[in-house]
Amino acid sequence: DVKVTQSSRYLVKRTGEKVFLECVQDMDHENMFWYRQDPGLGLRLIYFSYDVKMKEKGDIPEGYSVSREKKERFSLILESASTNQTSMYLCASSLGQGHTDTQYFGPGTRLTVL
Amino acid sequence: EDKVVQSPLSLVVHEGDTVTLNCSYEVTNFRSLLWYKQEKKAPTFLFMLTSSGIEKKSGRLSSILDKKELFSILNITATQTGDSAVYLCALNQAGTALIFGKGTTLSVSS
Repeated sequence: DVKVTQSSRYLVKRTGEKVFLECVQDMDHENMFWYRQDPGLGLRLIYFSYDVKMKEKGDIPEGYSVSREKKERFSLILESASTNQTSMYLCASSLGQGHTDTQYFGPGTRLTVL
Repeated sequence: EDKVVQSPLSLVVHEGDTVTLNCSYEVTNFRSLLWYKQEKKAPTFLFMLTSSGIEKKSGRLSSILDKKELFSILNITATQTGDSAVYLCALNQAGTALIFGKGTTLSVSS
């Protein structure tokens, strides 16, 4: 079974702090994704990566950056956290072999910025 | 602009009822349509549909795609309280990024 893990289930940070959210997958997947999920807005793509050191902006990249130094790990960085970044953050990965891709999700990190 | 619209947004039924969830889409480069179930935590994969008219089935859940009319339905028969969840529809447009609908919240009462 595919396993996607995220470093924290719950996180509380203060405005202006730098925040790192880590995601690790153990199935040698090419693609990794970061989403945020908010009530009434559904899942929105922040960034994705289709290879080591490669990244693409999603729909809402502002205020975020990412890092993919190793294939299995994809980090989401909030350089200076703000209250409007309070959300559920979901990481996902997929094999990367064309249109039959299925994404597998991690358990999510619920971030609260005070 | 590509978009995925799910209806209804929420639904309350009694155990044993049959429900149909709808997903319509507009996308310029369709690859596949996926259904996920999300309970308290991360979405879990249910079905992937790529061809029209071919029903996918798993127990009491089934789904079908109509690429001409640009929609998919997810059916759940003999609902149980454990079916209570948010059901998400997503479009795979380029083999990488998914476009998600806002979801349908299903509540099954005993």
